[in-house]
Amino acid sequence: QVHLQESGPGLLKPSETLSLTCTVSGGSIIGYFWSWIRQPPGKGLEWIGYINYSGAINYNPSLMSRVTMSLDTSNNQFFLKLSSVTAADTGMYYCARARAPGWLGELNSWGQGTLVTVSS
Amino acid sequence: DIVMTQSPESLAVSLGERATINCKSSQSVLQSSHNKNYLGWYQQKPGQPPKLLIYWASTRESGVPDRFSGSESGTDFTLTISSLQAEDVAVYYCQQYHSVPWTFGQGTKVEIK
Repeated sequence: QVHLQESGPGLLKPSETLSLTCTVSGGSIIGYFWSWIRQPPGKGLEWIGYINYSGAINYNPSLMSRVTMSLDTSNNQFFLKLSSVTAADTGMYYCARARAPGWLGELNSWGQGTLVTVSS
Repeated sequence: DIVMTQSPESLAVSLGERATINCKSSQSVLQSSHNKNYLGWYQQKPGQPPKLLIYWASTRESGVPDRFSGSESGTDFTLTISSLQAEDVAVYYCQQYHSVPWTFGQGTKVEIK
């Protein structure tokens, strides 16, 4: 049973860069597509982007100018960086895995999420 | 972007009764090469991450009770809970993964009447 755990600073100031790590255990990061999704307090879900071990990456165009994703196969981790954050970036950030190897679609494994607050 | 519109925003159903949630996509999410609608349904309980219930519009994820079912008709999709249980109280989201950016519906809150 794969387990995903997000980590990173919970409080940022406006204009800073958000950096999050998702650590994967119970399975290899190789072979799967990995996503980041966020959820503002009391609101719905927004897909941020996905990455896989062979370098395939896709970002939500609404965030593309500020987002960078990367991956470390040796440590079974993948990363999210979001630059120039504002209060609108406040919310729960989840990492998630696609259901099947090589499959791009539905997400059946999720981390518990990490709350990020942007405030001066 | 493909817009996913869910209805209703909330519904209250008696225990043991049927709950029906609708989701409409602004464009087709049918992947022609696979002949599958790239549409998933998720359940999110308070303080928890979303949980995948249904994928390809009507295929139940492993371990999901069979009271949950999905159906499809063109760009209209439905999640049905055939006999609502207390543990089904949650917000339900549809999601399309046919086109980037993947998009979610706004959510439907299901409560006990």
